[in-house]
Amino acid sequence: DVKVTQSSRYLVKRTGEKVFLECVQDMDHENMFWYRQDPGLGLRLIYFSYDVKMKEKGDIPEGYSVSREKKERFSLILESASTNQTSMYLCASSRGRSYQPQHFGDGTRLSIL
Amino acid sequence: KNEVEQSPQNLTAQEGEFITINCSYSVGISALHWLQQHPGGGIVSLFMLSSGKKKHGRLIATINIQEKHSSLHITASHPRDSAVYICAVWNYGGSQGNLIFGKGTKLSVKP
Repeated sequence: DVKVTQSSRYLVKRTGEKVFLECVQDMDHENMFWYRQDPGLGLRLIYFSYDVKMKEKGDIPEGYSVSREKKERFSLILESASTNQTSMYLCASSRGRSYQPQHFGDGTRLSIL
Repeated sequence: KNEVEQSPQNLTAQEGEFITINCSYSVGISALHWLQQHPGGGIVSLFMLSSGKKKHGRLIATINIQEKHSSLHITASHPRDSAVYICAVWNYGGSQGNLIFGKGTKLSVKP
């Protein structure tokens, strides 16, 4: 089974802090994604990556950056956390360039105080 | 108007009932994805389909490309089926990143 592991289930940070969310997958998937999920808005794509050192902006990239130095690891960075970034963050991965199911991690519930 | 609409938003059923969740979309699609999210937050892929019908255990997913509509059915529902069910579509010609999500249907199955 595909395993997508997010580093923390719950995280509390302060406004202005630099926050790192880590995601690791163990199935050699080419594609990795970061989403945020908010009540009433559903899942929204922040960034995705097709390959190592490659990244593309999703629908809501403002205030975020990403890093993919190794194929199995995709990091989401909040450069200067703000309260409106309090949310559930979900990482996903999928295989190849055709349309394949995305496999999700358990999510990180991030609170910015 | 949202490109992917799910109905109902909330659904309460008694154990054993047959359940239908609907998904309508307004764009041309390459494929459609049904996902399940349990209260803990983790999301599980249930089905990916681009035509016809797929079955896995008590779950059945159908899609009608001409009508731009998909349904997820649960037979003999059980309290452990309580979750949020999410429909998502890949926009035709779009990239892997262009997955458009519905807002989800929250299902509660009472014993």
